[in-house]
Amino acid sequence: EADIYQTPRYLVIGTGKKITLECSQTMGHDKMYWYQQDPGMELHLIHYSYGVNSTEKGDLSSESTVSRIRTEHFPLTLESARPSHTSQYLCASSVPGGLEAFFGQGTRLTVV
Amino acid sequence: AQSVTQPDIHITVSEGASLELRCNYSYGATPYLFWYVQSPGQGLQLLLKYFSGDTLVQGIKGFEAEFKRSQSSFNLRKPSVHWSDAAEYFCAVGAYSGGGADGLTFGKGTHLIIQP
Repeated sequence: EADIYQTPRYLVIGTGKKITLECSQTMGHDKMYWYQQDPGMELHLIHYSYGVNSTEKGDLSSESTVSRIRTEHFPLTLESARPSHTSQYLCASSVPGGLEAFFGQGTRLTVV
Repeated sequence: AQSVTQPDIHITVSEGASLELRCNYSYGATPYLFWYVQSPGQGLQLLLKYFSGDTLVQGIKGFEAEFKRSQSSFNLRKPSVHWSDAAEYFCAVGAYSGGGADGLTFGKGTHLIIQP
């Protein structure tokens, strides 16, 4: 069973606030990902990382930023939340050289 | 770039009946294919994967999928569904690349409804 954790699970926040979504994995995986999933829609890759100090933008443009200072942590930050950021954010990780992704339970973000 | 099409947005099946969820992919080289399941409010759980070899792959929870290169398909099947199988099912294709994103590309998902 994969061990990847996201906090908070649910977040309702006002427009203009700064937020950080946490993602941690205990598997020692190098590669980590953030996907955005709107209701009833497919997942879109917004950020990924090959390892410490590596961050790349994904296929879907996002105003969020990420950092990878430690292997196990891959937080996502929104400097100024807007209603258009309302979505579910899913974090995932995979082993080096592997494509199989292990997902966290997601953070459902609502910006009011 | 790779893409995945899941033609059925919703499928309704009676409990105990057989199930087939369709998935078509577009990718220039040998694809790496996955099926994930997502229960409401949860993350995604891997059901099965195809990398190479036998084109019929077995997964968890009694699911199987068959890779058909000629049809660019990777359909998911289960002989007899249970009420607990009601969920969203996602097909995905993955690729290795030297410089671009190598995360998975997902289809839009198929919502499975189980009738008693």
